[in-house]
Amino acid sequence: GAGVSQTPSNKVTEKGKYVELRCDPISGHTALYWYRQSLGQGPEFLIYFQGTGAADDSGLPNDRFFAVRPEGSVSTLKIQRTERGDSAVYLCASSNDRGLNQPQHFGDGTRLSIL
Amino acid sequence: QKEVEQNSGPLSVPEGAIASLNCTYSDRGSQSFFWYRQYSGKSPELIMSIYSNGDKEDGRFTAQLNKASQYVSLLIRDSQPSDSATYLCAVILSGGAGSYQLTFGKGTKLSVIP
Repeated sequence: GAGVSQTPSNKVTEKGKYVELRCDPISGHTALYWYRQSLGQGPEFLIYFQGTGAADDSGLPNDRFFAVRPEGSVSTLKIQRTERGDSAVYLCASSNDRGLNQPQHFGDGTRLSIL
Repeated sequence: QKEVEQNSGPLSVPEGAIASLNCTYSDRGSQSFFWYRQYSGKSPELIMSIYSNGDKEDGRFTAQLNKASQYVSLLIRDSQPSDSATYLCAVILSGGAGSYQLTFGKGTKLSVIP
């Protein structure tokens, strides 16, 4: 089926605004991950969902960041009171199940720019 | 302390040569290792996974894992200009209490010169 889909592909907004980033994982994938990638760096983990629940949110940088996955499929990453330092590419990945041997497949990302 | 280390490069090789990309990791208990290719402005694309010591071959790509030395490498044979990209090493670290997040290196930029 289709790969991981992320919308929007680009988002430009002003400092202090609220943004929502959407991820639609590969059909049937139960595990969903959010990462953030800054220029010249590898992706950094934000949060992991297994089904509807956030199994690990240890990578969220502060309480301005929140993510949900209410029906165990589509996920939304929400950022309140955006700051210029939040500018990055936000990547979503999904895998067939949790586990050490389940490769993660990435979407094309959302490039977020905070002016 | 960075837990996954890669030489940032750039690594330049002539077309047709073997490109060798290296990665070390600090967590001795890690069990799962992945190589992703990322073209400029694009998302990471999985090209190899390896879970046990030794070599794993897939077409022109060979992944090598040495857990005793905490070292994983990627060899690209008969390099092509289309292989020019940043190669990211990713590891699932142990002790994650059920989280299977990937920890990435910074990536090695490879340039294949025609």
